Amino acid sequence: AQSVAQPEDQVNVAEGNPLTVKCTYSVSGNPYLFWYVQYPNRGLQFLLKYITGDNLVKGSYGFEAEFNKSQTSFHLKKPSALVSDSALYFCAVREFWDGNKLVFGAGTILRVKS
Amino acid sequence: DAGVIQSPRHEVTEMGQEVTLRCKPISGHDYLFWYRQTMMRGLELLIYFNNNVPIDDSGMPEDRFSAKMPNASFSTLKIQPSEPRDSAVYFCASQPGGLGDTQYFGPGTRLTVL
Repeated sequence: AQSVAQPEDQVNVAEGNPLTVKCTYSVSGNPYLFWYVQYPNRGLQFLLKYITGDNLVKGSYGFEAEFNKSQTSFHLKKPSALVSDSALYFCAVREFWDGNKLVFGAGTILRVKS
Repeated sequence: DAGVIQSPRHEVTEMGQEVTLRCKPISGHDYLFWYRQTMMRGLELLIYFNNNVPIDDSGMPEDRFSAKMPNASFSTLKIQPSEPRDSAVYFCASQPGGLGDTQYFGPGTRLTVL
């Protein structure tokens, strides 16, 4: 079965600095990979996804992620963090043979300090 | 589009009472998912439907939980009888259909069972 690991419970970064939120996955076939963000007392909001094609995916709010098949990783990045980026971030994976189920990681809290 | 709509947004009830959570998916979406989020267990998939038919209910914790989708625009998640350990945020999400499609989440229902 597919699985997702987010190795960091929390990431702290200063405003204006680049940020990275890590995600690794395990699937038996080709993965469909997603990033979501959750602000306090809100639902999950879609940021970006990798389905096929270019390994560098650009998404909402200036975020991007790089699909690395050899390292089975899909890290979320942003060149310059904003205080408003502080939130809970989830990585998720879907495998084609398992219907439309998404398997989510445990989430990573991002704190951006001014 | 109004997005996924959930009601109520907050529910406080006493142990033993029946609780019904409601969801209206985005029009035209073929898939509907119910999730539960807690600090201890993170985000868990409870059940999902395709074209109003339950496909996978393996995440439903107990027989006290049941879900229905009588038509394409409405679904319910019922807990009867409720217990304090059911306290969580319950999310509904919908998805157009394809494996590469994005799931869109509702704002959630915060359930507190006293």
